[in-house]
Amino acid sequence: QQPVQSPQAVILREGEDAVINCSSSKALYSVHWYRQKHGEAPVFLMILLKGGEQKGHDKISASFNEKKQQSSLYLTASQLSYSGTYFCGTANTDKLIFGTGTRLQVFP
Amino acid sequence: NAGVTQTPKFQVLKTGQSMTLQCAQDMNHEYMSWYRQDPGMGLRLIHYSVGAGITDQGEVPNGYNVSRSTTEDFPLRLLSAAPSQTSVYFCASSYISGWAYGYTFGSGTRLTVV
Repeated sequence: QQPVQSPQAVILREGEDAVINCSSSKALYSVHWYRQKHGEAPVFLMILLKGGEQKGHDKISASFNEKKQQSSLYLTASQLSYSGTYFCGTANTDKLIFGTGTRLQVFP
Repeated sequence: NAGVTQTPKFQVLKTGQSMTLQCAQDMNHEYMSWYRQDPGMGLRLIHYSVGAGITDQGEVPNGYNVSRSTTEDFPLRLLSAAPSQTSVYFCASSYISGWAYGYTFGSGTRLTVV
């Protein structure tokens, strides 16, 4: 039931792009994306609702393919502040279930 | 606006002791939930509540109790602490349901059971 995230880890230089994928075996109402920095709480980035849509937030955007039960998070022109662990959360009820995370490190 | 407040921030318990982790929010959110975070396992849902007086189990509810007597508070009780409950615990809240709006997380409680 836990969504599968890939890759598990990404190392980037500033300015490079990355894609993080999230896949579920169940039909979904929504997909959430969060970023967590070391020793801190997760912070909400964006939510995608069923109906298939794409959202943007500065240089971070995401897509949701409802039929494939998949979502992708796109980080373009990465900045040092993008470093952290990214979690997707999937919901088909009032339970939000998180993936195991993707660790992203951005170096100068 | 404090958001979601968790207390205590750190706690050490002996095996078999009981304790309550406190969670309060001042955003008038109906939905609240508890997660535990262990290395390499992400965030796992313990219990959740869609409103005062209503609670339900998540993925890993065993060993934990919750109640929701007010909209603002959602305490998590450890009945008889075990070393396997050593973890970081996060409380989160959302506007209405568990799926339609983003979550605000508290800063976490780091619990060690010896």
